[in-house]
Amino acid sequence: AQSVTQLGSHVSVSEGALVLLRCNYSSSVPPYLFWYVQYPNQGLQLLLKYTTGATLVKGINGFEAEFKKSETSFHLTKPSAHMSDAAEYFCAVTTGGYQKVTFGTGTKLQVIP
Amino acid sequence: DTAVSQTPKYLVTQMGNDKSIKCEQNLGHDTMYWYKQDSKKFLKIMFSYNNKELIINETVPNRFSPKSPDKAHLNLHINSLELGDSAVYFCASSQEGAGKKLFFGSGTQLSVL
Repeated sequence: AQSVTQLGSHVSVSEGALVLLRCNYSSSVPPYLFWYVQYPNQGLQLLLKYTTGATLVKGINGFEAEFKKSETSFHLTKPSAHMSDAAEYFCAVTTGGYQKVTFGTGTKLQVIP
Repeated sequence: DTAVSQTPKYLVTQMGNDKSIKCEQNLGHDTMYWYKQDSKKFLKIMFSYNNKELIINETVPNRFSPKSPDKAHLNLHINSLELGDSAVYFCASSQEGAGKKLFFGSGTQLSVL
């Protein structure tokens, strides 16, 4: 079985401040991990993903995430928040061949001018 | 040229009615999905098809019936609509295999009155 826990349903940061969105996963086998972003009234878009190899993964719009097996974490960071980063962010995990992707409950990021 | 398109975008209907949502992808993907997003933004997989064959069928009432006439299309038919069916339904597609990126449609907001 696989699961994802996102700590904090709402996160507020000031424009220019560090963004840190937390994600912990549970998986009995090596996982594939994703971060998706959802803007209002839109579908989800992939920010970045970890499959194998380098544990620090860089994505679009300046976001990155680090896979830490010992901590079962895949936290999302961005050094400097922009107003355009305000959105809902979803962490997700899958393990299987015909992938059943399990999503976290989402974190709404608010950026304060 | 939208990669994953679903229609209609909004669907308002009465309890007990039958409705369909259509989805098409032009990415050449083998795998398509239906996800349900509730009012709290929780996203849960409903069905997955690979090359027109049902692969994943989560615990979904049998009032929901997916149909895949070809691998580019995955439609969702819902019989005897209930209030609790109100949600946003997302179609998605991906290449076959684990760890592949999901491409989402922009969603269909279903409101059952």
